[in-house]
Amino acid sequence: NAGVTQTPKFQVLKTGQSMTLQCAQDMNHNSMYWYRQDPGMGLRLIYYSASEGTTDKGEVPNGYNVSRLNKREFSLRLESAAPSQTSVYFCASSKQGINQPQHFGDGTRLSIL
Amino acid sequence: GNSVTQMEGPVTLSEEAFLTINCTYTATGYPSLFWYVQYPGEGLQLLLKATKADDKGSNKGFEATYRKETTSFHLEKGSVQVSDSAVYFCALSEITGGFKTIFGAGTRLFVKA
Repeated sequence: NAGVTQTPKFQVLKTGQSMTLQCAQDMNHNSMYWYRQDPGMGLRLIYYSASEGTTDKGEVPNGYNVSRLNKREFSLRLESAAPSQTSVYFCASSKQGINQPQHFGDGTRLSIL
Repeated sequence: GNSVTQMEGPVTLSEEAFLTINCTYTATGYPSLFWYVQYPGEGLQLLLKATKADDKGSNKGFEATYRKETTSFHLEKGSVQVSDSAVYFCALSEITGGFKTIFGAGTRLFVKA
């Protein structure tokens, strides 16, 4: 059972470089999410997609863009990376509804020099 | 706004000790409440959930009761094991101005043999 798959697992970028983080889920979930995890701050929502064809900003969207390519795939793009974007990025998916738990990938560890 | 507050860690216990991790929340509506666990190098996994007041969620010996009167959802386990060492996140989901899940900052648990 693959669940939520994120690529790459690790990446080092230089300031100003661009990059796309990939996420795919095989659970037929409608909703997908991108979070960043920083020490002592829990998870902060960057963007989410409630259903295919829709995307919405979360708590910390600045410096990021997303694309919901199809029901399975939801990518996160950093157009011009900054050191403040050094973090661990998690993609998650869920069925729709507030009772539904989210299923997480194993994360992408991104360092920006 | 809505928020989740967890006790700060790390929490260090000996094997077979009793565990309590406190979680309180503020919410304007009627949220669902969750506990997630994160093992090193992995994404979050659902541990248990409760969807209405007085519900008790349980899994793998862990329990938490949805207390609306005290706005709390404390995690408990009667006898911890070394394998329970992880980071635990309390979270709430509700629909207020759009669907949102809010995570606490996480509490790291170390269990010594």
